[in-house]
Parts: sequence; structure tokens; C-alpha cells
Amino acid sequence: AQSVTQLGSHVSVSEGALVLLRCNYSSSVPPYLFWYVQYPNQGLQLLLKYTSAATLVKGINGFEAEFKKSETSFHLTKPSAHMSDAAEYFCAVTSFSGNTPLVFGKGTRLSVIA
Amino acid sequence: ETGVTQTPRHLVMGMTNKKSLKCEQHLGHNAMYWYKQSAKKPLELMFVYSLEERVENNSVPSRFSPECPNSSHLFLHLHTLQPEDSALYLCASSQDRKTGAEQYFGPGTRLTVT
Repeated sequence: AQSVTQLGSHVSVSEGALVLLRCNYSSSVPPYLFWYVQYPNQGLQLLLKYTSAATLVKGINGFEAEFKKSETSFHLTKPSAHMSDAAEYFCAVTSFSGNTPLVFGKGTRLSVIA
Repeated sequence: ETGVTQTPRHLVMGMTNKKSLKCEQHLGHNAMYWYKQSAKKPLELMFVYSLEERVENNSVPSRFSPECPNSSHLFLHLHTLQPEDSALYLCASSQDRKTGAEQYFGPGTRLTVT
């Protein structure tokens, strides 16, 4: 079975500071990994995805994530936080093969302080 | 309309009522999904439809009944719900069910059961 653990249900950063949201996964087969963002009163929007190509993945809005197999991690980063980045962020995993569903983490709420 | 739309956006219903949630995707996708999003819990996949055929039902109580009349529309019929069913119900679609296919989410229906 696959699972995702997001460390920290709430992260608060100052505007202009580094954003780091942590995601660790568990999978017995090669994973595909995703980061989604959810703004208030909206659905989830894909930020980026890892599908076994480059280990450093660049997404929208200046976010990127690095797949580290040895650490079973897929942390999300952004060099400089903007007020508009305040939202809920979800990490998700699925397997490399077959029609397996996306398994989501519990989410991390990011607050950006002016 | 573009993307994935859901109606109504908010719904309050008593435990003896019958109501339906509607989802429509304007992306030409072949797979559609219902998720339940509760506070402090990961997204829970409820149902998956592929080419209008239900391919997954994750042990969802029978008081939730999905319907997919065509590849663009998905319904979730609700009857005799319980207060613990109060949640945000998200619809999503993807091109197909292949691993790595990006899912596009609607804004959700906020359901309150009184």
C-alpha cells in the first residue's frame, strides 16, 4: 500500500522568505508524485508532478520539488514567498504501473506574514 | 464554462432529505472521480468512472449513489445522510485512468447535514 506523510499541518513564513513544505512517501513500487494547491473555496490545482524523468521538477508560480529516492521524500520549495501563496498544499502518490488511485496526504496550510 | 464545474456550491440538508450533486467537465476527458474532503483528514476517493463505467467504489455507504449518464456529467445522489457526512465533495476528471494523468478538480460542494 502507498501512503504520504506531510510534516506540519501548518507552516507560517514571512513574505520573501523561503517556503519549504515537507512530504515523505511510502511505496513498494516506483512512485509518481504530485503537489496540489487549494485556495479558499476552490478545488485542487496541480502545481507539479514527478513521473520518473528529471528528479528536480519545476512547477507553476515559482514552485519546485526534488525527488530523493534515498530519503523517500518529495519536498516542495519556493525561494521567496508571496502573500498570494497562502493556501493548503497537498502531496499525493500513485504507483508507476496500473490504474492505481492517487493517495493524498492530510495537507499543509501555508500562511504568509507581511 | 471551462474546466470542471459543480453545483450547487453549498447545500444544507436534513437527514431524511434526498438531494443530488452535479459535476460537469468541459475538457473532453474520459475519467471522472468523486472525492470527500473532511477537516483534518486526507482526501478520500469515493468513486471512479472510466468511459461512463464505474470502475472503483471504495467501500462507500449505499446512502451515496453515483451516476454517470455520459462522459461529461457525473452525479452523486444523496439520501438519508448522517451528520458525519458533512464535508466538501470534490469532483475531478482526467484524460484517462493511466498513471500520471493529471486530475482537474472542480470547486466542490460544501455539504452540511443537519
